[in-house]
Amino acid sequence: AQSVTQLDSQVPVFEEAPVELRCNYSSSVSVYLFWYVQYPNQGLQLLLKYLSGSTLVESINGFEAEFNKSQTSFHLRKPSVHISDTAEYFCAVRSSNQAGTALIFGKGTTLSVSS
Amino acid sequence: DGGITQSPKYLFRKEGQNVTLSCEQNLNHDAMYWYRQDPGQGLRLIYYSQIVNDFQKGDIAEGYSVSREKKESFPLTVTSAQKNPTAFYLCASSITGTSGELFFGEGSRLTVL
Repeated sequence: AQSVTQLDSQVPVFEEAPVELRCNYSSSVSVYLFWYVQYPNQGLQLLLKYLSGSTLVESINGFEAEFNKSQTSFHLRKPSVHISDTAEYFCAVRSSNQAGTALIFGKGTTLSVSS
Repeated sequence: DGGITQSPKYLFRKEGQNVTLSCEQNLNHDAMYWYRQDPGQGLRLIYYSQIVNDFQKGDIAEGYSVSREKKESFPLTVTSAQKNPTAFYLCASSITGTSGELFFGEGSRLTVL
């Protein structure tokens, strides 16, 4: 079975500062990893995903995440945040060899960007 | 546009009443899911279905029921047996046999008075 731990429930930062949202996973098999973003009272939107290949994956709005197998981590980073990045962020995992199973989500990290 | 439609967006019910939340998708996805979201708890899986007329319990299925009579539809009934039904409910779908990336609806917020 897989599990996900998001190490920070809340991360307050100032605009234009860098940010890192931490995610660790537990699994005995190879995995797919995802970051989703949720704005208030909305559904989740996929931010980026790691399936295979390059361990560094990027989103279109400046976020990136690096898959580190030895550390079992998939931390999300952005070098300079905007007010509009304020949202809740969820890390999720799924075994890569169990088609049809659901994603397992972490408890979420609330990113609050202030001016 | 293709997507997932959940209705209603907001729902108020009295304690002891069953309620049904609708989820419809036109993405032609085989798999559909229901998650429950509570503050600080993340998303917890209630039920999922990989194919029509088949579904499996998730981690917190007690007090809920589902049906999957059509590929496009996966309604969730919150029964009176659910002890704490007030929550935000999210429906999602995915293509079976791929990465399992989920596509989410906008959610339904249920408040039991």
